[in-house]
Amino acid sequence: GAGVSQSPRYKVAKRGQDVALRCDPISGHVSLFWYQQALGQGPEFLTYFQNEAQLDKSGLPSDRFFAERPEGSVSTLKIQRTQKEDSAVYLCASSRTPTEAPYEQYFGPGTRLTVT
Amino acid sequence: QQQVKQSPQSLIVQKGGIPIINCAYENTAFDYFPWYQQFPGKGPALLIAIRPDVSEKKEGRFTISFNKSAKQFSLHIMDSQPGDSATYFCAASYMNYGGSQGNLIFGKGTKLSVKP
Repeated sequence: GAGVSQSPRYKVAKRGQDVALRCDPISGHVSLFWYQQALGQGPEFLTYFQNEAQLDKSGLPSDRFFAERPEGSVSTLKIQRTQKEDSAVYLCASSRTPTEAPYEQYFGPGTRLTVT
Repeated sequence: QQQVKQSPQSLIVQKGGIPIINCAYENTAFDYFPWYQQFPGKGPALLIAIRPDVSEKKEGRFTISFNKSAKQFSLHIMDSQPGDSATYFCAASYMNYGGSQGNLIFGKGTKLSVKP
């Protein structure tokens, strides 16, 4: 079946612009995570949704970052007034159910954001 | 404070060799330990995962060894091939959000190169 898809794959933004990154999780997956991966580093957690509820946003680096999953499927990560330090790959991952094994998270290909 | 420490940062082996990548963790609440493989321009892909109630798990050429008392786990790749050249990440997570498996906390990654 189809995996996690993300769009756009690449985004170049001028400093100060707003951007919106989309994630289409695997159909029926309850959990959805956003991670940020800086060059040469491991992914770092940003936020977590269980269906449409955002249960954890402790990893969002500033109030310029906002995420939503209004119908419990597609999710959008929005970054307002982008800064150069926002340049990174943004990864989305989904998992079938959070309450019983397996807890496997399936990752999308990521969106590479470059802020100039 | 880095919760999952991974070593080495890079590793070069000959084809057929057995690269070993090590990770150490601090949080005893962690109860799920996956390893991910990432190729350039791609999202992380799950290789193998282990729970703390077993000391070893094998899937194909990949083996996880787990030492709960030492809070360490490692990945062994048997009969390594040039196609295994990639970056490998260990990760950990625990039950959070009132009974749901939480976000992954990643190590910094190991860049593996397998020479023909």
